[in-house]
Amino acid sequence: TQLLEQSPQFLSIQEGENLTVYCNSSSVFSSLQWYRQEPGEGPVLLVTVVTGGEVKKLKRLTFQFGDARKDSSLHITAAQPGDTGLYLCALSRGSARQLTFGSGTQLTVLP
Amino acid sequence: NAGVTQTPKFQVLKTGQSMTLQCAQDMNHEYMSWYRQDPGMGLRLIHYSVGAGITDQGEVPNGYNVSRSTTEDFPLRLLSAAPSQTSVYFCASSSQGSYNSPLHFGNGTRLTVT
Repeated sequence: TQLLEQSPQFLSIQEGENLTVYCNSSSVFSSLQWYRQEPGEGPVLLVTVVTGGEVKKLKRLTFQFGDARKDSSLHITAAQPGDTGLYLCALSRGSARQLTFGSGTQLTVLP
Repeated sequence: NAGVTQTPKFQVLKTGQSMTLQCAQDMNHEYMSWYRQDPGMGLRLIHYSVGAGITDQGEVPNGYNVSRSTTEDFPLRLLSAAPSQTSVYFCASSSQGSYNSPLHFGNGTRLTVT
């Protein structure tokens, strides 16, 4: 079983601060997806990263795939209360879309 | 634009009872799957299906059955509920075209087994 670890588990910050959350695997993976989940809802895909060293930006969110393709990070600039949620990374195994999820980072942005 | 619809939203069962969690999608997606989400453990794959008539086990299949008689529906059956099955259950679907196709999740069923 491929282990996928996320850190920190919990993060509480003030509006306007920057933050980074991390996703690390015990082995190389071909691609990784980041999801955000709000209370009472299912996860929603934010981005997929495929190439080692790849950087993708989604407004104030910056996603990076490590050069060795064993880690990824999500950086949020000037966090807003609307960014509050559970951030999950997930990697895909095989051709049947079996995603393995990390345990998530619960982010709270205080106004 | 319904997407993935799960019913019921909440359910309380007694140990030993059986029930079926319903999942339907209107996006003509070939791939459907069931996950359970427990605190501190993320989402774990229970069963999945790559098309009508085809199902397979995921990471935690014990105590659950599935069937896929149509493209749209993928029900999850608990044959004899146990307290360890208390969890939030999510159904998801995606197109089969690319392994990077996003999963579309329903809003979950919160199950409590007493």
